[in-house]
Amino acid sequence: GDSVTQMEGPVTLSEEAFLTINCTYTATGYPSLFWYVQYPGEGLQLLLKATKADDKGSNKGFEATYRKETTSFHLEKGSVQVSDSAVYFCALSTRETSYDKVIFGPGTSLSVIP
Amino acid sequence: EPEVTQTPSHQVTQMGQEVILRCVPISNHLYFYWYRQILGQKVEFLVSFYNNEISEKSEIFDDQFSVERPDGSNFTLKIRSTKLEDSAMYFCAPGVRVPQNTEAFFGQGTRLTVV
Repeated sequence: GDSVTQMEGPVTLSEEAFLTINCTYTATGYPSLFWYVQYPGEGLQLLLKATKADDKGSNKGFEATYRKETTSFHLEKGSVQVSDSAVYFCALSTRETSYDKVIFGPGTSLSVIP
Repeated sequence: EPEVTQTPSHQVTQMGQEVILRCVPISNHLYFYWYRQILGQKVEFLVSFYNNEISEKSEIFDDQFSVERPDGSNFTLKIRSTKLEDSAMYFCAPGVRVPQNTEAFFGQGTRLTVV
């Protein structure tokens, strides 16, 4: 079945460091890919998305490129801030999946220290 | 402006009691999904609901769970007899179909604590 794998956390970075969170997926058909963010004590927010190969999603300084050849959607940010501390979930949705449910990766906890 | 409002934001209930979690979408969505996130763990799909009936459910969604749209607007998840392991965040996600996929808009969630 469809699935998402992402790097294990927690990840701890100093402010202004470069961030990469790896994400790979397995899917039938052609999925759309998402990154969701969950700040402490809050719900899920869509951070960015890409719907076809080579698309780049971007938001709030974060970027991820849909790589079909490597089935990856790695999240990057050039300079993290303390306010970026959160759990990041890579996810996919595919029209071939029954009624397009979103399948989440296990999440990666990020802590940014001053 | 959120696409969906979930109520209550936090509910504490005794084991064995029934709980009803509510989801009020802003727009007239046809697709609804419920997800569960046990504290510190991954977000798990529970059930999808389309055209007023369940279209898919996971293994987690056993006979203790039910969903309905009682008034054509609100969307509810009922747990008939709660267990300690039902303690989790529950997210409602109405969805709209766009050409590539269905975009799901997640609510802020309801934190359910079973004691």
